[in-house]
Amino acid sequence: QSVLTQPPSASGTPGQRVTISCSGSSSNIGSKTVNWYQQLPGTAPKLLIYSNNQRPSGVPDRFSGSKSGTSASLAISGLQSEDEANYYCAAWDDSLNGYVFGTGTKVTVL
Amino acid sequence: EVQLVQSGAEVKKPGESLKISCKASGYSFTTYWIGWVRQMPGKGLEWMGIIYPGDSDTRYSPSFQGQVTISADKSISTAYLQWSSLKASDTAMYYCAKRYYYDRTDAFDIWGQGTMVTVSS
Repeated sequence: QSVLTQPPSASGTPGQRVTISCSGSSSNIGSKTVNWYQQLPGTAPKLLIYSNNQRPSGVPDRFSGSKSGTSASLAISGLQSEDEANYYCAAWDDSLNGYVFGTGTKVTVL
Repeated sequence: EVQLVQSGAEVKKPGESLKISCKASGYSFTTYWIGWVRQMPGKGLEWMGIIYPGDSDTRYSPSFQGQVTISADKSISTAYLQWSSLKASDTAMYYCAKRYYYDRTDAFDIWGQGTMVTVSS
């Protein structure tokens, strides 16, 4: 069972803005940086956002991340059909002494 | 190009042993941690453990401690995940991933393509 909680689903029409939340605790999000991974259908996860709000080279700037206290968010602005995927937040956890993933959010483009 | 290439799909019977691999290229294998992640069919990602190939320092998630063994052979830049006695519940996709750890950045930046393990009698 994951210690990071995300909504199971989110959706929007093309061009809309979608936001995904990630709720944790003081031992993970509250004291560590948050990463986000995108998993397109049938493929391996890909690093989308690191260190709360940084994008790796090649990730479009319509993806953005933020963190406040023990929660984090991923925003997708200008939603596109190719953004249909599962999104996972993640962080290291001091109490578990390991890495924890969120429960995952499936984004659907209507 | 930095990449991790995993071994192919496996079909095994309960009780059998298995060792899957993750070959790294394009970077210094001994200076970055490599982690393993499980994804059961239709489910989310679960962190299993991590190894530092430079000195074989290994950490396990409490959920996987004693259930699997993580190792590495730095002479061939390859990390391994192994089971001594598989169970049907080990059926899953397994990913290896390189950890990038610098300053406050700590993420798995490069992922293997995954190895599907099916355990069935």
